[in-house]
Amino acid sequence: QVQLVESGGGVVQPGRSVRLSCVASGFTFSSYAMDWVRQAPGKGLEWVAVVSKDGSITNYAESVRGRFTISRDNSNNMLHLQMNSLTVEDTALYYCAVEAFDIWGQGTMVTVSS
Amino acid sequence: HSALTQPPSASGSPGQSVTISCTGTSSDVGGSNFVSWFQHHPGKAPKLMIYEVNKRPSGVPDRFSGSKSDNTASLTVSGLQAEDEADYYCISYAGSNNYVFGTGTKVTVL
Repeated sequence: QVQLVESGGGVVQPGRSVRLSCVASGFTFSSYAMDWVRQAPGKGLEWVAVVSKDGSITNYAESVRGRFTISRDNSNNMLHLQMNSLTVEDTALYYCAVEAFDIWGQGTMVTVSS
Repeated sequence: HSALTQPPSASGSPGQSVTISCTGTSSDVGGSNFVSWFQHHPGKAPKLMIYEVNKRPSGVPDRFSGSKSDNTASLTVSGLQAEDEADYYCISYAGSNNYVFGTGTKVTVL
């Protein structure tokens, strides 16, 4: 069945880094662009980043540009989000989603706290 | 890109209709047919309810409908049911591989 499963979240100190992963199954991963979306506690959904089918094109929300890097490994059906220089404002539930946002994972929580 | 504007809340009794607006600019909602709506229960995966302004994915009841006029998109839920109580978000393509979500609307079934 079609599925996205995120991992890599946890508690991290301000200024540190964390790498999120999302494994896809049940569909042809390499045929779709992929996105990361986040939701901070008590806040709305925020689009974070997108990567094209072959990984050659990426784009980011202004709030994370220069600190986060989205990438993919089509041979292993994996999507990644490298998050550097984390701040408390990055505390959120992070979801991966397929390009038309019709398939979502359950999310992985990142808490930035000292 | 600033978040699209949605009313914080909307409500209706069972069987009634509720319409949620999503207001942006000519750079996003007004200039794109990529406008989608999601139903979201916090902590769970958002569920796509409407895509490309007014199309319903398979399995979504026809009680859910979408439309757009100028810079404002709308989601209408007809024949409200208790299970429709959730947060609803719009999203629009904003050009140059950018996307922007709406601020979200909490729908309460009275």
